[in-house]
This record gives sequence, C-alpha cells and structure tokens, in this order.
Amino acid sequence: KAGVTQTPRYLIKTRGQQVTLSCSPISGHRSVSWYQQTPGQGLQFLFEYFSETQRNKGNFPGRFSGRQFSNSRSEMNVSTLELGDSALYLCASSLIAGGDNEQFFGPGTRLTVL
Amino acid sequence: AQSVTQLGSHVSVSEGALVLLRCNYSSSVPPYLFWYVQYPNQGLQLLLKYTSAATLVKGINGFEAEFKKSETSFHLTKPSAHMSDAAEYFCAVSDIVKAAGNKLTFGGGTRVLVKP
Repeated sequence: KAGVTQTPRYLIKTRGQQVTLSCSPISGHRSVSWYQQTPGQGLQFLFEYFSETQRNKGNFPGRFSGRQFSNSRSEMNVSTLELGDSALYLCASSLIAGGDNEQFFGPGTRLTVL
Repeated sequence: AQSVTQLGSHVSVSEGALVLLRCNYSSSVPPYLFWYVQYPNQGLQLLLKYTSAATLVKGINGFEAEFKKSETSFHLTKPSAHMSDAAEYFCAVSDIVKAAGNKLTFGGGTRVLVKP
C-alpha cells in the first residue's frame, strides 16, 4: 500500500507570492491533517479535514487555508507569503477522525520564502 | 489548552546503553499519548501509543513507554541503543474528546545522538 505522498517536496518562493501544497493520503483514509514544522516553533497543527469538511483549525492567520476533495486528497494554500512561513509542511492521514487513531505522515514539503 | 514538555532537547548515549527520553503532559484528563520518530529529511513515524489500555506500551524497534498518571508522564525507553536510533523523537498528545478529532499537540522534540 502506498504511503502518504506530498508534492512538491521542495519549493522556493518570494515574499508576497502564494503557494499551494498537495497531499495524497493512503488509499481509504478519509482524514487529512496538516502541520507546520520550524526550528523555532516546532510542530504546530494547522488544520484537519474529514470527508471534505474542516473539523479543526490551529492558531494560524487566515492566509493559511486548505481544502479536501471527494477522493480525500487535500491541498493547503498560503497567500501573501512571509519570511516566517519558511518551514517543513507535513501532511498526515488516518482512516477516521478520532484522537486515538494512528496518523501516517508524509515526507513533507520544504518551503523556503526569500 | 494541552501542552507537552520534553526534557532535554539533545541526548547523547553510547551504543548499547539505555535510552531514556522524558515526556510530561499537562491535562486534567489523561489524553491519548504518542511517541513519534523523525529521521533526517523524512516525515514522522509512530513508535507507540497509549490509549488507556495497558500502562506499559511496547512499540517498534525495541522501544517502550510507561504511562504514569500520578506523574503526568509518558517516558520512552530502549534498553540498548543502536546506531540506527539516531534521530529526533517527539512526544505528542491528542484529546480524548471525539470533537477534537486527530489534532496532535507535540513536545519540542529530543534529538538523540548515538556514540559508537
């Protein structure tokens, strides 16, 4: 069974631009969560989608948004990029939504904002 | 809000020695607890999880962790370190309330260096 895939793996953007990251969950998984990982703030929850609905949202500005499609694939978008948005963005999928479920993480997309 | 504290951002152990990584959580109700490992340029891999069954949880690669409610701790151990254990380890919690979904709150991470 293929794991969680994220595209692209690396991305370089300049301040003010916008970016879209993609995540394909493991086949059959309906829940997708996104996390931001930075050296200073560590791993922080961005949002979670289940059956195309956002279930939870972390404490991030409105520039960060996401969506989930009917095939469970998910995208996240960051508009008006700032230098501080440089990070590793991780996507995780699980069969269903529920705190005890194992989440499977993708390799991440490393975003660099210049 | 839940929080997770990992004591020690870096730990150095000799090959064959005990690995002990500390994790404490703050929550009035014991949450679900997880340990993840991250190798360079990779995502996170689940080592083990506690979901209110046995307090001593065995995971992959010889790791185990013990949930102690009185100490609000979930420390990770491995009796004998191997060079392949060099990685960063994260403790995480998830609320037992279903409405909280899959949201994980992570500790700051502990980077393990294994010396030959």
